Amino acid sequence: AQTIHQWPVAEIKAVGSPLSLGCTIKGKSSPNLYWYWQATGGTLQQLFYSITVGQVESVVQLNLSASRPKDDQFILSTEKLLLSHSGFYLCAWSRHFNQDTQYFGPGTRLLVL
Amino acid sequence: QQKVQQSPESLSVPEGGMASLNCTSSDRNFQYFWWYRQHSGEGPKALMSIFSDGDKKEGRFTAHLNKASLHVSLHIRDSQPSDSALYFCAASEPYNVGDNSKLIWGLGTSLVVNP
Repeated sequence: AQTIHQWPVAEIKAVGSPLSLGCTIKGKSSPNLYWYWQATGGTLQQLFYSITVGQVESVVQLNLSASRPKDDQFILSTEKLLLSHSGFYLCAWSRHFNQDTQYFGPGTRLLVL
Repeated sequence: QQKVQQSPESLSVPEGGMASLNCTSSDRNFQYFWWYRQHSGEGPKALMSIFSDGDKKEGRFTAHLNKASLHVSLHIRDSQPSDSALYFCAASEPYNVGDNSKLIWGLGTSLVVNP
């Protein structure tokens, strides 16, 4: 069975500080990977997707970047946090790109002060 | 304009009752639809997908798709308090190589099932 793990569970960070969030998928080789952002009680906004190791495509520009250093790992980061970065960050995977069910991780809650 | 619109924004039903959620797309290119459920503090979980006109039933959940009217619905019979959650409709176009096609999400319907 596939499992998806996100770290950390939650973060409180200062404006202007750096950030790194991680996601690991176990039990599935060559997954398609996605990063989403969600405001409290809001809809999901896809940020990045990756079809293969080393390749990441940006969907929206939010002063964030993403990398896929390993087949099973997806990293979301920024050098300078903004207040608007607060929210719930979700990592997801699918077998096929986009036209397929996406399976989400437990998420990381971020509060920027 | 939101390409995937959900209604109602919130819904309250008694335990054992029927909950009906609606989703309408404004883009005729959308061919694939999903319903996801998100409990508070958790990641969304896919309930079901529907790609063809008609009904699709999985346990207490029935989805209905009408591509001509760009409408998809979700019906939950015998609703339970554990069904209380945020429900999202998501849609996508057929994928073309080189496309940045992605899943488009509705704003969600908040369902409360009262014991």
